[in-house]
Amino acid sequence: EADIYQTPRYLVIGTGKKITLECSQTMGHDKMYWYQQDPGMELHLIHYSYGVNSTEKGDLSSESTVSRIRTEHFPLTLESARPSHTSQYLCATRSQSGANVLTFGAGSRLTVL
Amino acid sequence: SQQGEEDPQALSIQEGENATMNCSYKTSINNLQWYRQNSGRGLVHLILIRSNEREKHSGRLRVTLDTSKKSSSLLITASRAADTASYFCATDSGGSNYKLTFGKGTLLTVNP
Repeated sequence: EADIYQTPRYLVIGTGKKITLECSQTMGHDKMYWYQQDPGMELHLIHYSYGVNSTEKGDLSSESTVSRIRTEHFPLTLESARPSHTSQYLCATRSQSGANVLTFGAGSRLTVL
Repeated sequence: SQQGEEDPQALSIQEGENATMNCSYKTSINNLQWYRQNSGRGLVHLILIRSNEREKHSGRLRVTLDTSKKSSSLLITASRAADTASYFCATDSGGSNYKLTFGKGTLLTVNP
């Protein structure tokens, strides 16, 4: 069972609201990632981090921001949500050594009305 | 642009049949991985094949890799209704960016 947790699992909010999607892991992994996935579609990398105080934008431009103050947490924030932000957001980690395989959380499904 | 492209987009079979999914990619890779996603959930890693390997097995899974054709296939033998899910290939191009690039996935439905 993966030790990576995402909250909330489901969120329905109105346009203009600020939201933070939480991602926590207990595996001590340095590398963490946020992917965005529309229903039935591929995953797009929007943010990643190689460790504390390290954040980079991914391949898909996103209005969201991330922070990495602690190894365990990699929250994603939208300052002003819009309907175009409606999607599933998947957090993942990758161990520093060994197999370069991603471990995913269960995802946060965001709906912006 | 996406690195991996799965084919077919959707596949429906009966329990007990074999399911084959294909993945094509564009650039050189370090390894290729297959993931499974149940509806509305995160992805689960199934199997990794390195660029110098041609075939790999794990239980009912068999993965092949043809680097000359930049393609891979995932075979699930003796499928079960519980295998119903979306299957994604992901490519690791190596280097220092440690990023995986995912394809669009194949939705597999196994009918009881």
